[in-house]
Amino acid sequence: GQNIDQPTEMTATEGAIVQINCTYQTSGFNGLFWYQQHAGEAPTFLSYNVLDGLEEKGRFSSFLSRSKGYSYLLLKELQMKDSASYLCASMDSNYQLIWGAGTKLIIKP
Amino acid sequence: GAVVSQHPSRVICKSGTSVKIECRSLDFQATTMFWYRQFPKQSLMLMATSNEGSKATYEQGVEKDKFLINHASLTLSTLTVTSAHPEDSSFYICSARPLEVEQYFGPGTRLTVT
Repeated sequence: GQNIDQPTEMTATEGAIVQINCTYQTSGFNGLFWYQQHAGEAPTFLSYNVLDGLEEKGRFSSFLSRSKGYSYLLLKELQMKDSASYLCASMDSNYQLIWGAGTKLIIKP
Repeated sequence: GAVVSQHPSRVICKSGTSVKIECRSLDFQATTMFWYRQFPKQSLMLMATSNEGSKATYEQGVEKDKFLINHASLTLSTLTVTSAHPEDSSFYICSARPLEVEQYFGPGTRLTVT
């Protein structure tokens, strides 16, 4: 079956670094997405990985290992506005997104 | 670029009435549009996939006669919730996909059925 696993909730301190892990099993693979979703709002695109390795984009980086079915989102220099849910989604062979349940990230001062 | 709009952003309706939600891609043509539903503290649930000019493909458990989807043009898809009931109250989000892989999300529509 198709399955995406990510932690339900994480807590981190302002200014620190946090890594949100995601493991996936999908029928075929056409890339791994990370989205940020603030409460009451639609998701916004953060990153897309289709090749192994690390993609860095400002304070956010995303890593993919296709052989391990594993990705992580790394957030540096955390700010209070980073408090949100982070959704991992794998695109299957039909180009459909299979969504994880999301990780709620709580940033404390 | 790649902006998707939804209208209305928030709607309250009485039980038994129908509500139409519009999803528009403003600066690109979307060959495929997706409709999602999200209940509080839960992840996105795909309801249906619509391709311009053809019938929508509904996910298992989604009633096609209750959730009518029309994708009449490459920039517009509509979702009509017919005979709405309080359990249909949810956050409805559309996304649009041009030829590339990425999906672009609309801002969502908060539906409350009283």
